[in-house]
Amino acid sequence: DTEVTQTPKHLVMGMTNKKSLKCEQHMGHRAMYWYKQKAKKPPELMFVYSYEKLSINESVPSRFSPECPNSSLLNLHLHALQPEDSALYLCASSQRTTGVMNTEAFFGQGTRLTVV
Amino acid sequence: KNEVEQSPQNLTAQEGEFITINCSYSVGISALHWLQQHPGGGIVSLFMLSSGKKKHGRLIATINIQEKHSSLHITASHPRDSAVYICAVRPFGNEKLTFGTGTRLTIIP
Repeated sequence: DTEVTQTPKHLVMGMTNKKSLKCEQHMGHRAMYWYKQKAKKPPELMFVYSYEKLSINESVPSRFSPECPNSSLLNLHLHALQPEDSALYLCASSQRTTGVMNTEAFFGQGTRLTVV
Repeated sequence: KNEVEQSPQNLTAQEGEFITINCSYSVGISALHWLQQHPGGGIVSLFMLSSGKKKHGRLIATINIQEKHSSLHITASHPRDSAVYICAVRPFGNEKLTFGTGTRLTIIP
């Protein structure tokens, strides 16, 4: 199994809603990532989890709250989002080695989020 | 100037043509990735390179570490190859990938 599975594929939410994005992998990868991608732009890193601990937060607003409950799961909790947060949210994972992670990254299909 | 530059930004070619997409970067890296993104979103990892050349089917990726340059080649291109191809590098000592802006490839039947 070399898949990173993201759910839901599409999500429309109001600015007062609370929702969660889910990402799952069963490759034994210990590094997991959240990216945000606006149309016709490259992905932008939001968070990195390494061994289930948050290792990088790219100054993401607190209305985005990541969670890594175990080594296979990564969630992104959303609350009080703005229309400009509408984007494709991509999850990725890679094998964690000592030091730099120079191993292949596997990406999910993404969740297309629309905030209304 | 971006750390990762790709060229061309857009490429349209006839089916069967040999395609080359280039990536230049300005920092020392531990690895370079070529990624494919179809409309609708999902990203597929095509190659990860730290030296030399890799081949998978009709796809070939090369890297020249001294010149800080990589190329992705597609032989016998097909309309299903139409996608955005993204070069991403992992700088030394950095957990993050730095992405190029992508090359939008369109193969016309």
